[in-house]
Amino acid sequence: GQQLNQSPQSMFIQEGEDVSMNCTSSSIFNTWLWYKQDPGEGPVLLIALYKAGELTSNGRLTAQFGITRKDSFLNISASIPSDVGIYFCAGHYGGGSNYKLTFGKGTLLTVNP
Amino acid sequence: DAGITQSPRHKVTETGTPVTLRCHQTENHRYMYWYRQDPGHGLRLIHYSYGVKDTDKGEVSDGYSVSRSKTEDFLLTLESATSSQTSVYFCAISEGGKRGALNEQFFGPGTRLTVL
Repeated sequence: GQQLNQSPQSMFIQEGEDVSMNCTSSSIFNTWLWYKQDPGEGPVLLIALYKAGELTSNGRLTAQFGITRKDSFLNISASIPSDVGIYFCAGHYGGGSNYKLTFGKGTLLTVNP
Repeated sequence: DAGITQSPRHKVTETGTPVTLRCHQTENHRYMYWYRQDPGHGLRLIHYSYGVKDTDKGEVSDGYSVSRSKTEDFLLTLESATSSQTSVYFCAISEGGKRGALNEQFFGPGTRLTVL
């Protein structure tokens, strides 16, 4: 089955630093999604990517859909304490009638004020 | 925020007892999903529904059943709860489709289930 490798597993950074994380897949995807989960809450959709090579921003967050369609990247600029949480990537293939997402295991981000 | 609620939000039960978790949506989305989230495993799909009375298994469906009698409600049942089913359960919804925004899934707040 499809698998997603998300890295790094965790990051500990200082407030103001930039952050990068990525996901790689053994299969191609037609959609990449990035979610953030705060403690005790459900994941919240941050950015959605639909086209290879696409670069999309949401405030200080920027995500890219890799050209090979097997990877995606998320960057956070000038981190702040409220960026703390777990970031998940998810991919969707779209073949046939399969509307399921494949999720990475998440990157735990800690921001030191 | 997507209109998704889950009930109960917290539950403690004993091994061998039946448990039903409810997901309710007000978005009229066709697809609904149940996931469990455990440390080291991330989000794993239990079951999903692609319409009223249409359901299918996910990757960790053993020990779980689901029902969807109305568009807005998706029930997850543990027929005889075991300690390995202690987890946080999330419901998600999507409009569903081959590509694009129809694939975006929106999550509920979760239910924390403890099986003693």
